[in-house]
Parts: sequence; C-alpha cells; structure tokens
Amino acid sequence: DVKVTQSSRYLVKRTGEKVFLECVQDMDHENMFWYRQDPGLGLRLIYFSYDVKMKEKGDIPEGYSVSREKKERFSLILESASTNQTSMYLCGSGGANYGYTFGSGTRLTVV
Amino acid sequence: LAKTTQPISMDSYEGQEVNITCSHNNIATNDYITWYQQFPSQGPRFIIQGYKTKVTNEVASLFIPADRKSSTLSLPRVSLSDTAVYYCLVGDGPNNNAGNMLTFGGGTRLMVKP
Repeated sequence: DVKVTQSSRYLVKRTGEKVFLECVQDMDHENMFWYRQDPGLGLRLIYFSYDVKMKEKGDIPEGYSVSREKKERFSLILESASTNQTSMYLCGSGGANYGYTFGSGTRLTVV
Repeated sequence: LAKTTQPISMDSYEGQEVNITCSHNNIATNDYITWYQQFPSQGPRFIIQGYKTKVTNEVASLFIPADRKSSTLSLPRVSLSDTAVYYCLVGDGPNNNAGNMLTFGGGTRLMVKP
C-alpha cells in the first residue's frame, strides 16, 4: 500500500513563526499536493507538484510556499504564520488515473 | 475542469444498500471518475475508480452509464462505520496539469443509523 506520512499530527505555533510541514511518500509518485480543510469550506488546494523542483499554485496559495527537492518529499512552508492559517493540512500523492493517497493530516493551531 | 454535483447528505440504516449519485455533465473523454471516503480528522481515502460501465471491489461498486455524465457509488449493506463524507472527483487525464483534477466538491455526508 502507498504510504503518505506527515511529520506531525498536531502543531501549535505562534503568530509570525516560520512553520514547516513535511510530507513523505514511498511509492515514487510524480504528483504530490497540499490541501487545507476547514469546516464549511471543504478541501482547498494550496499547492501541488508534478515533478521534483516543479510546483504549481492551487486555489489558495497566498501565505504559503512549497519545496520539492526530492521526489518523495514535499514541504509546505508558512513564511509567517497567522491565526487564519489555523487549519487541518492534508498532504497526498498519486495520479489522476490511479487515485490519490492522503496522509493522516496535521492539525495546526496558530496562537 | 469537470465539475461534480452530489447530494449534500443522506441517511440510511444498518444493513441497507446505499447509492450515492454524482453528476459530471462536462466530463472529458479521457477523464476517470474516482470516489473517496473521509472520516473526521482523517485524510480522504480512495474507495474506487472507473472509466465506464461497472467496477466492483471489496468495498463498493461504481456504476457509470454509457454517456458518463453521472456515476453512482453503491455501498452494499452499510454499517455504522460507513458513516463518513463521500467525495466524487473527475480527472483531467494523465498528461494534463495534475492540479486540475484535484478539486473537491462538498461531498455527501452519509449517516448510517442503527
């Protein structure tokens, strides 16, 4: 089975901190992505990557950046965390025609 | 981008068969249809994927009519543990911008009652 591992299940950070959310997949997938999920707003795509060092903005990239230096790892970076970035963050990998696998999520609280 | 429309919620009882229909009128020729299940505080989990006709696995069946403008996820004999949100997604094809595939609609919240 494809495994997608997110480095933290719960995180609490202070406003203005730089935050790194790490995601690793073990199936050699080209595509990786980050979503955030908020009550009433569903899943919204932040960024995705279809190859090493390649990235594309999703629907809500403002306030975020990403890094993909190796195929198996896709990092989401909050340059200066704000309270409106408190959310559940979901990482995943896969492809359009064989499905996507998500990690368990990181619940980030910015105080 | 093929948009999908699903019922917001459905109720069922244990042991019943549940059918959730998704409309995707603008589906493209090379799009696949994929269904995901999500429990609270977890990431969505792949259930089933199909292109046309019928696909069945150990969890569910997926029925796709000839025009492919809709699809129906069928869950046989549901149990309380099937209470979750179910998402239908339509893909843009393997060689296109992967991000176009990854738009989740609101999903269908299935409540299974005892």
